[in-house]
Amino acid sequence: GAGVSQSPRYKVAKRGQDVALRCDPISGHVSLFWYQQALGQGPEFLTYFQNEAQLDKSGLPSDRFFAERPEGSVSTLKIQRTQQEDSAVYLCASSPGTGRAGELFFGEGSRLTVL
Amino acid sequence: AQSVTQLGSHVSVSEGALVLLRCNYSSSVPPYLFWYVQYPNQGLQLLLKYTSAATLVKGINGFEAEFKKSETSFHLTKPSAHMSDAAEYFCAVSVRSGGYQKVTFGIGTKLQVIP
Repeated sequence: GAGVSQSPRYKVAKRGQDVALRCDPISGHVSLFWYQQALGQGPEFLTYFQNEAQLDKSGLPSDRFFAERPEGSVSTLKIQRTQQEDSAVYLCASSPGTGRAGELFFGEGSRLTVL
Repeated sequence: AQSVTQLGSHVSVSEGALVLLRCNYSSSVPPYLFWYVQYPNQGLQLLLKYTSAATLVKGINGFEAEFKKSETSFHLTKPSAHMSDAAEYFCAVSVRSGGYQKVTFGIGTKLQVIP
């Protein structure tokens, strides 16, 4: 498809399990962002990639969170030893360039529920 | 650091009435400002953006917003609400930070349209 694709759309994990969330951005888009959206909140920044380089990971809540984009296209957000507070929708967004006026194109999100 | 404040997490209007969603921003440098809309179980999509070309910005679906530097505001308006406008609206600010464009979102305002 032409848009940002995220999988899985829904994930239920038991506390302590590891999860991996995938983002397939629009082809050719240089910038890729991950956001976390808790229930009733706005998207909170997690991390930013410019091509394959992770330029900012300051928003990752703990060292249990890890993101990669090894070939500058598909990105994976991994959460180790999931906790209940990790329950949220994880949004991926991409942008064609790096300019300030760049629109972000969002995927539909991956809803993670940790039991 | 930049930030966005959205006043009113829930707004209800009657169908045909004026829609006014408030957004104030804080930024140490001239910002680019955005409004995004999120329908249930979907990702965010761009409604409109301010990039310093004109202070009154028109977007999709009849929405517009006015950038007022003196008030640090970027309120979203629509003259006449439709049922299809019921959604959650997010104001966002984009500022160059750490060598890339960082986009920060507000908490969101859920718009309810009453028939």
